[in-house]
Amino acid sequence: QTVVTQEPSFSVSPGGTITLTCGLSSGSVSTSYYPSWFQQTPGQAPRTLIYTTNTRSSGVPDRFSGSILGNKAALTITGAQADDESDYYCLLYMGSGTWVFGGGTKLTVL
Amino acid sequence: QVQLQESGPGLVKPSETLSLTCTVSGDSITGYYWTWIRQPPGKGLEWIGYVYYSGSTNYSPSLRTRVTISVDKSKNQFSLRLRSVTAADTAVYYCARYYGDYLVFDYWGQGTLVSVSS
Repeated sequence: QTVVTQEPSFSVSPGGTITLTCGLSSGSVSTSYYPSWFQQTPGQAPRTLIYTTNTRSSGVPDRFSGSILGNKAALTITGAQADDESDYYCLLYMGSGTWVFGGGTKLTVL
Repeated sequence: QVQLQESGPGLVKPSETLSLTCTVSGDSITGYYWTWIRQPPGKGLEWIGYVYYSGSTNYSPSLRTRVTISVDKSKNQFSLRLRSVTAADTAVYYCARYYGDYLVFDYWGQGTLVSVSS
């Protein structure tokens, strides 16, 4: 089974820009995988940030953006803030009505 | 405002069946896909499967032999049954709405912890 890969951890300075990626153990991610991105803080349900590659969910600040970079889906945070410190998960549509999450990236803002 | 609320036993014995219900308020269950997602303690998210309001289903290949998701339109609820559970099924279980027209998981429940232990 294809594995969805994410960086286990990342750190960014306040005000900095960071790009998290979401790839496949075999093959390239394209818009046909309809990548979504979720933010999760400890003890809370995930919050949908981005869907269909680059569409922001209602209420999500425009400093969060999604794209395809090379062979991966990407989530870019521009002007990172302290409360962006969270776990971030991508989700890809694998066809035949099934979805697979990436393992998540723990983002530290310091 | 759409709200989802999971309910069910917080403790299940090994080899038994885990059963959870998600109650939807603020909108009809009609027209959407309704999904279950879980997260073992300290680990990542896992997509379990969905039921369409019509009753059609699809499941993760890794859980397909043990899982059933069903919908009750009269109660605006949908349910998860996971058979033959082990400690590896201990997780926070989330229900969520998938709006197929926009390909977005737009509403989530708060999650409920289910522990598998004797």
